Amino acid sequence: DAEITQSPRHKITETGRQVTLACHQTWNHNNMFWYRQDLGHGLRLIHYSYGVHDTNKGEVSDGYSVSRSNTEDLPLTLESAASSQTSVYFCASRADGGKQFFGPGTRLTVL
Amino acid sequence: GESVGLHLPTLSVQEGDNSIINCAYSNSASDYFIWYKQESGKGPQFIIDIRSNMDKRQGQRVTVLLNKTVKHLSLQIAATQPGDSAVYFCAENIGGGSNYKLTFGKGTLLTVNP
Repeated sequence: DAEITQSPRHKITETGRQVTLACHQTWNHNNMFWYRQDLGHGLRLIHYSYGVHDTNKGEVSDGYSVSRSNTEDLPLTLESAASSQTSVYFCASRADGGKQFFGPGTRLTVL
Repeated sequence: GESVGLHLPTLSVQEGDNSIINCAYSNSASDYFIWYKQESGKGPQFIIDIRSNMDKRQGQRVTVLLNKTVKHLSLQIAATQPGDSAVYFCAENIGGGSNYKLTFGKGTLLTVNP
């Protein structure tokens, strides 16, 4: 069955390190999204992509970057991890005009 | 502030009862809405969606009602079961076209008592 996966599921890192979170979907969806989820804030959009080589900033994009070199993957990179980036990160994908589906999440702790 | 919000942050019901979870939105241009269920430690799971040209849509044990006059969205769960215990989010899309971006409410915690 088609699916969306994230790795790692849990990550502990130190302040200042570069971290990359992987997102992979097998639905061949054009549209992919990264969110962070924090208590009191709900899901907030970090970056999104509408297709290969397309990337866009969301509402909380500072300190994050993405690249889209193929349809299946949208890795999220934290250039220099900060304690404020401790959160649960969710990737999502959607076909054009279709429903949006989420991955299982990555819990990131920055010490 | 967020344009999507919830009337009740928590809801506790007895098994077998019907549950109603409410959501208010403030943007009259919103044209598409989704309800998600999120269990502890898992990603949000799609439940049901509705477009602004509809006022009601039914799924399996769930019904979504949309009242555009008062900008209100509700999720009704029939015969609530312990497995329905989770946080429920509403999400809205503002703007047209197929490449929408969703804005999420903070969620309502539903607890089903056996």
